[in-house]
Amino acid sequence: QLQLQESGPGLVKPSETLSLTCTVSGDSISRSSHYWGWIRQTPGKGLEWIGNIYFSDTTEYNPSFESRATISVDSSKNQFSLKIHSVTAADTARYFCARREDCSSANCYIGGWFGSWGQGFLVSVSA
Amino acid sequence: AIQLTQSPSSLSASVGDRVTITCRASQGINSGLGWYQQKSGKAPKLLIYDASSLESGVPSRFSGSGSGTEFTLTISSLQPEDFATYYCQQFNTLPLTFGGGTTVEIK
Repeated sequence: QLQLQESGPGLVKPSETLSLTCTVSGDSISRSSHYWGWIRQTPGKGLEWIGNIYFSDTTEYNPSFESRATISVDSSKNQFSLKIHSVTAADTARYFCARREDCSSANCYIGGWFGSWGQGFLVSVSA
Repeated sequence: AIQLTQSPSSLSASVGDRVTITCRASQGINSGLGWYQQKSGKAPKLLIYDASSLESGVPSRFSGSGSGTEFTLTISSLQPEDFATYYCQQFNTLPLTFGGGTTVEIK
């Protein structure tokens, strides 16, 4: 059974770097044909897609985050990670990791939907 | 980026009611739309993908329809466990985007 679990510091100071890790069990990132993604949720902006990564280190980013976000993968630990640099209070959010699906029986898409999610991890940005 | 507008933003309904939620895209996205259900403090749960394909394990009272710019999620007979917030997401093009959500409350 696929499970994803986010972890990291729950409190980050303004201007510092937010770092989160997603540990995957029940699937192998390096042998999977899936992309793995990060999404966040805030009361003000709702759900926002941050970016995705493939085990080969191919990445896709939301232009809204591209200058500040870095997603990487550690296949040996079956984990992928998110860093957001120079955070502000606006980056306070619940962060989710998820596995992306991009092909149904009928169609394949450049993007994809998220069939499996972690439970989410609340990160607060405050001095 | 493609904007998704959900309507209504909230609704009140009773158990057994038929409920319909609409999601409109700012430009055509073929069938590249999914629907999620989210309960308080939980992750979103995929209900529908490819506009009308039911995710495995999701009750058949949920259905999706539409293509292009207008899509609907229908709950044929609302059950107590269906009171939640529902989101659409487009995946036809990057960046992936979500609608603002529709909260289904108990009347």
